[in-house]
Amino acid sequence: NAGVTQTPKFRVLKTGQSMTLLCAQDMNHEYMYWYRQDPGMGLRLIHYSVGEGTTAKGEVPDGYNVSRLKKQNFLLGLESAAPSQTSVYFCASRPGQGSNYNSPLHFGNGTRLTVT
Amino acid sequence: KQEVTQIPAALSVPEGENLVLNCSFTDSAIYNLQWFRQDPGKGLTSLLLIQSSQREQTSGRLNASLDKSSGRSTLYIAASQPGDSATYLCAVPDSGNTPLVFGKGTRLSVIA
Repeated sequence: NAGVTQTPKFRVLKTGQSMTLLCAQDMNHEYMYWYRQDPGMGLRLIHYSVGEGTTAKGEVPDGYNVSRLKKQNFLLGLESAAPSQTSVYFCASRPGQGSNYNSPLHFGNGTRLTVT
Repeated sequence: KQEVTQIPAALSVPEGENLVLNCSFTDSAIYNLQWFRQDPGKGLTSLLLIQSSQREQTSGRLNASLDKSSGRSTLYIAASQPGDSATYLCAVPDSGNTPLVFGKGTRLSVIA
């Protein structure tokens, strides 16, 4: 039982390049989330999903796209990376409706992205 | 929009001390409140979850309390140890059962 796994762990991009961050969970969770963490800003929600095939915008969605084609995977894409997207990205998951609303969030170990 | 504030931003204490971390939130219509721990370079680990109907939760040396009406929660750590050194974050749903909004955390250092 690996929990929430994020790949890659580190990445350096040049401005304008694209990439996809992968989040995989093996806990059969319905809800999945992408957050970014920046010094002085805390954790901010980018996008989230309440089930396979669904996505919704969070607080800071601009410049990112997401897809949830399979229940266990949640992908975060950067189509044209900018230096402002330099951050640590965290994926999280938890059970959804029909299960227990009061279930804690499970986090991956993060992806550290630098855009030069 | 929910806002979560944590005070202090950083705290340094000698080993063995009891300490309290504070969390306040602006919208008291919360579903639950969660406390997390984050070690440097790592993800967040859930410590305690207090449901809206509860007043406190305990896990080992940790005790978290919740006062919804005043929009406050405290995390009490008894007999602190160097291994408790980490950043502690609290989070509440933006509204109802929506995604969590996080405070910026309190960075704790326990000195041996």
